[in-house]
Amino acid sequence: GENVEQHPSTLSVQEGDSAVIKCTYSDSASNYFPWYKQELGKRPQLIIDIRSNVGEKKDQRIAVTLNKTAKHFSLHITETQPEDSAVYFCAASKTNFGNEKLTFGTGTRLTIIP
Amino acid sequence: KAGVTQTPRYLIKTRGQQVTLSCSPISGHRSVSWYQQTPGQGLQFLFEYFSETQRNKGNFPGRFSGRQFSNSRSEMNVSTLELGDSALYLCASSSQGPTPEQFFGPGTRLTVL
Repeated sequence: GENVEQHPSTLSVQEGDSAVIKCTYSDSASNYFPWYKQELGKRPQLIIDIRSNVGEKKDQRIAVTLNKTAKHFSLHITETQPEDSAVYFCAASKTNFGNEKLTFGTGTRLTIIP
Repeated sequence: KAGVTQTPRYLIKTRGQQVTLSCSPISGHRSVSWYQQTPGQGLQFLFEYFSETQRNKGNFPGRFSGRQFSNSRSEMNVSTLELGDSALYLCASSSQGPTPEQFFGPGTRLTVL
């Protein structure tokens, strides 16, 4: 089955600097890669996703890049703010119009230092 | 639209008991997935239901089961509870179609004593 590895497990960044979290996946058939943010005591929230036919996607301060050949994808957060502190999870899935099964990475605890 | 809801939010049970958790998806969503979240194992997929049929199943023992009703609401059941079943159980719903975003509920925190 699919295996997703995520690095680093913890990341501390000075406020205003950029943060990068990287994930690799094993199943070349995976075609959907979402990123979730989970604040303490709250549910995971989808923050951005990318499909295998796209190499990069941006949404304000957040961007995700995908390298299908190397089977890895990354989350980039620019101009970090204190509210970015949370645990971030990457995931991979093979979807065919709703065939849902997300395989998650182990999470990255991001701390923004004021 | 209202988000995904789960009941109850907290449960305390003892070993050997059984428990049923409920999930109501976003209106119009027909796919419901269940995940177990623990500090040691992270987020692990349990199973997914679509139109009352289990489409996918993760690597959990048969003590974990689920079902989905005609209104897309879903329940999961854990029988013969073990201490290791203590976890946050999350359900997520997604719509049919080319955009497979999954939206999570707040979870049910299960503690097994």
